[in-house]
Amino acid sequence: GIQVEQSPPDLILQEGANSTLRCNFSDSVNNLQWFHQNPWGQLINLFYIPSGTKQNGRLSATTVATERYSLLYISSSQTTDSGVYFCAVERVGGATNKLIFGTGTLLAVQP
Amino acid sequence: NAGVTQTPKFQVLKTGQSMTLQCAQDMNHEYMSWYRQDPGMGLRLIHYSVGAGITDQGEVPNGYNVSRSTTEDFPLRLLSAAPSQTSVYFCASSRWTGNYGYTFGSGTRLTVV
Repeated sequence: GIQVEQSPPDLILQEGANSTLRCNFSDSVNNLQWFHQNPWGQLINLFYIPSGTKQNGRLSATTVATERYSLLYISSSQTTDSGVYFCAVERVGGATNKLIFGTGTLLAVQP
Repeated sequence: NAGVTQTPKFQVLKTGQSMTLQCAQDMNHEYMSWYRQDPGMGLRLIHYSVGAGITDQGEVPNGYNVSRSTTEDFPLRLLSAAPSQTSVYFCASSRWTGNYGYTFGSGTRLTVV
């Protein structure tokens, strides 16, 4: 099956710093999503981004489908950004609705 | 607008017991899925459904059953609970077309002793 690798596995930032999280995938995809799991366990959809670039406030994401990677940018980080960030993909030609998750990046933002 | 509602939030079972985790969504989403989350392993797909009456297996289906009799509900049944099924279970739903970002429920933390 498709492999989804995220880096770095964990990251510690001071409040106000910027960061880039990376997601590499091993096959062509037609669906890529980024999620944030907060310290209380709630999973929030950040972006649906199978290709191109999107921005939402301090967060932005870019997917280069031809090179099989996606990047999530967090600018001016805040303590509320802490948690785990997951990338999830659906393979082209795979069964519909099989969204496969990476193992995540654990982010801790310190005040 | 409740989104995706999972019940119960916490459950302790004895080995061999059966139970049903409930999931309901009020967004008229065609797709629904069940995932389990274990430490260091991310989320793994158990079963999914593309519409009422249609279900299929994910990555880790053994020990679980699902059915989808209505668009709104997608229950997950544990047939005979085992300690290996101790996990946090998440239900998700999404639309068929357009920007089909997933919406997740708040999870069920299950412990099998």
